[in-house]
Amino acid sequence: DARVTQTPRHKVTEMGQEVTMRCQPILGHNTVFWYRQTMMQGLELLAYFRNRAPLDDSGMPKDRFSAEMPDATLATLKIQPSEPRDSAVYFCASGLGRADYGYTFGSGTRLTVV
Amino acid sequence: GENVEQHPSTLSVQEGDSAVIKCTYSDSASNYFPWYKQELGKRPQLIIDIRSNVGEKKDQRIAVTLNKTAKHFSLHITETQPEDSAVYFCAASRPNFGNEKLTFGTGTRLTIIP
Repeated sequence: DARVTQTPRHKVTEMGQEVTMRCQPILGHNTVFWYRQTMMQGLELLAYFRNRAPLDDSGMPKDRFSAEMPDATLATLKIQPSEPRDSAVYFCASGLGRADYGYTFGSGTRLTVV
Repeated sequence: GENVEQHPSTLSVQEGDSAVIKCTYSDSASNYFPWYKQELGKRPQLIIDIRSNVGEKKDQRIAVTLNKTAKHFSLHITETQPEDSAVYFCAASRPNFGNEKLTFGTGTRLTIIP
């Protein structure tokens, strides 16, 4: 059963520290999304990539967040410097670019900034 | 861009009764509407979807209806069981030449009372 792998599963860090979250999409998938889940905002789209090129990062705070795909098997989301309000679960999802083909979510990274 | 509203935010029903969750969308070009179920501590998973050329779709105890004119769609769960307790998200997507993203509603926390 193909899976989207996210690491780490949990991260606790102090305010001001850099945080890097990683995602390995399903092999062959060319579209990768980063979503943030909070109690208040549900699932917010932060950024997404097609064939490693960023298509839309309008949902991402540009001053502290950055998203990249160094290669087709790795997507990263960085926060620098982190703040307590960044505490949330960050999900990566991958697919083939058509929503009706289905997008598969990873298990998420639960980030706590203290 | 697309905006998806979801109601109610929480819903409690007696085991065996039916549950209905409603969503509205803003972009008349949206043509694909999936529903995701997220169990506690788990990743969102697709449970059913509907395309704009169909008015209703059923899969055992779950069904989805779509009213394109009114731009709303609903999830119906009949004969609810304890394992139906979860957060349910609706989403919408418009055609975009293989660069399709999902815009999610804010979620409904469904609790089945034994």
